[in-house]
Amino acid sequence: NAGVTQTPKFRVLKTGQSMTLLCAQDMNHEYMYWYRQDPGMGLRLIHYSVGEGTTAKGEVPDGYNVSRLKKQNFLLGLESAAPSQTSVYFCASSYLGLDSPLHFGNGTRLTVT
Amino acid sequence: GQQVMQIPQYQHVQEGEDFTTYCNSSTTLSNIQWYKQRPGGHPVFLIQLVKSGEVKKQKRLTFQFGEAKKNSSLHITATQTTDVGTYFCAGPTSGTYKYIFGTGTRLKVLA
Repeated sequence: NAGVTQTPKFRVLKTGQSMTLLCAQDMNHEYMYWYRQDPGMGLRLIHYSVGEGTTAKGEVPDGYNVSRLKKQNFLLGLESAAPSQTSVYFCASSYLGLDSPLHFGNGTRLTVT
Repeated sequence: GQQVMQIPQYQHVQEGEDFTTYCNSSTTLSNIQWYKQRPGGHPVFLIQLVKSGEVKKQKRLTFQFGEAKKNSSLHITATQTTDVGTYFCAGPTSGTYKYIFGTGTRLKVLA
């Protein structure tokens, strides 16, 4: 009964380093989302996917790339990390998109120094 | 672009008092969802409202969707310490699958 699993849970990067955050869901959901959460700013949508092989930009896509090569996985990449990308990152998935609840992972806390 | 604002940003209440958070969208929403995030946790789905003027209840929680489908509210009657957390509304951008979250209301309940 894993649901949505995010790895890693914590990470510290230096400015300019790259990394990939992995999100995996075992609920056969079509839709997947990446959000970032910063104090006082709620959750902001970075990128999302409406199915395997598709991706689309959200509210704050700059500095991030994503891939959805397999239906169950949604990867978020930072090519050259910046301190402004220090945040908590949440992945979410849903079955039917707009008519279904979002199921969230436990989050990844990323610090860029 | 679409903006979803929530007020208040913070609310401290004594246990047993009522609490209300309001959600306002700059555009009409096809539906609205509410989530609760406990401190250190992830958002958890509470409810979805779809119809204009809809009211739904979950025990001590009452959710309303405005007639114009641009605003919503969550009311908690007789708060308990287990209600502590941040409450978010979320609505889809028209014509897309983007769920835009409100800024959230952080509730603290004093025993």
